[in-house]
Amino acid sequence: NAGVTQTPKFQVLKTGQSMTLQCAQDMNHNSMYWYRQDPGMGLRLIYYSASEGTTDKGEVPNGYNVSRLNKREFSLRLESAAPSQTSVYFCASSEALAGAQETQYFGPGTRLLVL
Amino acid sequence: AQRVTQPEKLLSVFKGAPVELKCNYSYSGSPELFWYVQYSRQRLQLLLRHISRESIKGFTADLNKGETSFHLKKPFAQEEDSAMYYCALTTLQTGANNLFFGTGTRLTVIP
Repeated sequence: NAGVTQTPKFQVLKTGQSMTLQCAQDMNHNSMYWYRQDPGMGLRLIYYSASEGTTDKGEVPNGYNVSRLNKREFSLRLESAAPSQTSVYFCASSEALAGAQETQYFGPGTRLLVL
Repeated sequence: AQRVTQPEKLLSVFKGAPVELKCNYSYSGSPELFWYVQYSRQRLQLLLRHISRESIKGFTADLNKGETSFHLKKPFAQEEDSAMYYCALTTLQTGANNLFFGTGTRLTVIP
């Protein structure tokens, strides 16, 4: 199993450009998450999807949109990139059984630079 | 609101010395806490969960509700323990286990 995969690995954008970060998992997990990691800030949740067909805002959703395309895939879109969105983006998934405290499995990350 | 604090950004210890990475939290509900680790050029991965009360790679962590702490400890540090360590707290919302991370501690074990 590949686990959680993310594309691209690295991207440079100009301010105002748009792009979509792709994430897929092959573990049949119900829940998926997008985090951003900034120096000195740890990881912060952008959006999450508890199950196929649902999405909800996390701690820092402004400037982003998400789509849970199917159970496997959860994409993150930047409609108009800003330098403040320069970060490393991590996708994660978890089985999310009701009432369970579970492990999240992380992808390798996408490093985004907005000029 | 929930918050996880890791007071040390950097921690260096000699090989064979004990190591303790501090984590304090604030949360009004019943906390579930984790330690995640990121080794060089590897993905972020779970190290241990408090609910499992297990020891992984010689590390243990005890939840102290009185002190609202979940410190990670190992009696004898090894060079391969050098990594970035994140303490995290989860809340149950609509079935998803959203994680709130601390800012991380970079542990360096000196040979």
